[in-house]
Amino acid sequence: AQKITQTQPGMFVQEKEAVTLDCTYDTSDQSYGLFWYKQPSSGEMIFLIYQGSYDEQNATEGRYSLNFQKARKSANLVISASQLGDSAMYFCAMRPPSNFNKFYFGSGTKLNVKP
Amino acid sequence: DVKVTQSSRYLVKRTGEKVFLECVQDMDHENMFWYRQDPGLGLRLIYFSYDVKMKEKGDIPEGYSVSREKKERFSLILESASTNQTSMYLCASSLQQGSSTEAFFGQGTRLTVV
Repeated sequence: AQKITQTQPGMFVQEKEAVTLDCTYDTSDQSYGLFWYKQPSSGEMIFLIYQGSYDEQNATEGRYSLNFQKARKSANLVISASQLGDSAMYFCAMRPPSNFNKFYFGSGTKLNVKP
Repeated sequence: DVKVTQSSRYLVKRTGEKVFLECVQDMDHENMFWYRQDPGLGLRLIYFSYDVKMKEKGDIPEGYSVSREKKERFSLILESASTNQTSMYLCASSLQQGSSTEAFFGQGTRLTVV
């Protein structure tokens, strides 16, 4: 069974500091994709970053980077230089190739950036 | 600009009503999904469809049905709405092949059943 775990229901970070949001996953598939999404209070889901299980380098997209540790089955999101606009829910997701490429989501982390 | 559009942002329905949530995508994606989002539970898959007229149950299909008569449109149906179906509903679509492409989401529908 596929499972995504986000153990931090809520987090605070000071503006301009870096923050790490944790994500662990469980799968028996060897090949899979890992994704992070941001959901502001308006409700839309915004795709942030992708990491393939066979990618040798950690993914980066601007201020977002993914700390991928395959052996530990973890895919933590690092946000550098936090901004007030980063306050949102963040969801980790996994997409294994089996079973029609469904997406499996974690329970989310609510990030609050303090001025 | 790629788009997934849900028919309503907010909806208030009475207990026992039949409710239709509509979703349309313009990306020619094979896969379409309906998720339910509740605080502390994340996104839970209700149903998904991998082709026209094809559907698979997700993790919480009870009380719901779906319809996909055209590739671009995926409808979620609450046969007899109940108060425990008050929630945020998110529609998404994706390419079917591979595991490297992201899902695109609609803006969500906040459904309240009274």
